[in-house]
Amino acid sequence: ETGVTQTPRHLVMGMTNKKSLKCEQHLGHNAMYWYKQSAKKPLELMFVYNFKEQTENNSVPSRFSPECPNSSHLFLHLHTLQPEDSALYLCASSTPGSSYEQYFGPGTRLTVT
Amino acid sequence: QQQVKQSPQSLIVQKGGISIINCAYENTAFDYFPWYQQFPGKGPALLIAIRPDVSEKKEGRFTISFNKSAKQFSLHIMDSQPGDSATYFCAASNSGGGADGLTFGKGTHLIIQP
Repeated sequence: ETGVTQTPRHLVMGMTNKKSLKCEQHLGHNAMYWYKQSAKKPLELMFVYNFKEQTENNSVPSRFSPECPNSSHLFLHLHTLQPEDSALYLCASSTPGSSYEQYFGPGTRLTVT
Repeated sequence: QQQVKQSPQSLIVQKGGISIINCAYENTAFDYFPWYQQFPGKGPALLIAIRPDVSEKKEGRFTISFNKSAKQFSLHIMDSQPGDSATYFCAASNSGGGADGLTFGKGTHLIIQP
């Protein structure tokens, strides 16, 4: 195990639902990330948090809303998603000075119906 | 615009053979080049990484070769084993302080046949 956990592991939701993805890291890191992994596409960076402050938002639609209440927890709130949002959502963490060495969780497989 | 191009998309190698995956980048500000390995149902895990001040780095059966002038780097897996079957991602980072995300290639699905 990498020390990064994600829940739930699988999620099926309708386009009108509201749900949240949770990530927790037990590594003492202060930087956390959300990535989207779709088939035949590179992993796409969505959000970066550094010491609980959002430092990067890669033009992600507002139907995705991140929250970082402390350095160990990261949430991704979802509402009115589209079928094309179906993907594997990965959380990662690192120390800010070593952002090139990121530790990933197992991901949440999201299906939007 | 894809900043890190990876090839091939898929690769089949016989057990004991050499697996080679290539990547090219465009942004000269990148200064750290990791490779990640991902098994089904798991997140990517850091395998090996290199900085552009060296041309080669070896860890066990895994070697990164780096060509700064060509802006290319590659992963070589020697004596490939069935347990190496996974998806491999090259990535690049500008580690100039702070927390930055990684820029990934599209991935190579590697199958090692027994």
